[in-house]
Amino acid sequence: EILLTQSPGTLSLSPGERASLSCRASQSVSSSDLAWYQQKPGQAPRLLIYGASSRATGIPDRFSGSGSGTDFTLTISRLEPEDFAVYYCQQHGSPITFGPGTKVDIK
Amino acid sequence: EVQLVESGGGLVQPGGSLRLSCAASGFTFSSYWMSWVRQAPGKGLEWVANIKQDGSEKYYVDSVKGRFTISRDNAKNSLYLQMNSLRAEDTAVYYCAREYYSSSGRTFDIWGQGTMVTVSS
Repeated sequence: EILLTQSPGTLSLSPGERASLSCRASQSVSSSDLAWYQQKPGQAPRLLIYGASSRATGIPDRFSGSGSGTDFTLTISRLEPEDFAVYYCQQHGSPITFGPGTKVDIK
Repeated sequence: EVQLVESGGGLVQPGGSLRLSCAASGFTFSSYWMSWVRQAPGKGLEWVANIKQDGSEKYYVDSVKGRFTISRDNAKNSLYLQMNSLRAEDTAVYYCAREYYSSSGRTFDIWGQGTMVTVSS
């Protein structure tokens, strides 16, 4: 089973700042199997990035994904008020696993 | 509109059973792998099980093997999760999710709103 570790656990930033979220895997993950989701309280997760770097339909270009192997990054170039949420990485191997999440909150 | 709507959650005693349903609309249900993903209160996401388009392949997370059964009815555009021998640690919101496979990757692109399952005496 591939374990995913996300850091930091919480990121406190102000609107307009840049956010960099890390996802590290216990073993190499195919880039095509790495995705990022956003979840707000009381809502279902929302797909942001798939294939490590492809934005999902309707996702603003301030969201970008990068990385390969065991190290992946989600970057939000300039935080908007609606971006404060929890972010999860996920790998689609067998079994499918999620990281524990990074909470981005308002400083 | 592409949509997934879960139902069937509720309060059940430890050792009891519950059957969750997920109604799909707005897309060709029979063309997609489908999954159940759960989230315990205040915790992260955990994949539970998935099923191939024709139901011929099914996979489960170790913690539910032998207790949960995933199934589908393509004629009814519906996904199911039969949960037996329920434990307190199965308490969670259960989401139905569509698996999207492309040349760029595999992912969960559509999610339902979730249904809450509480296992308690």
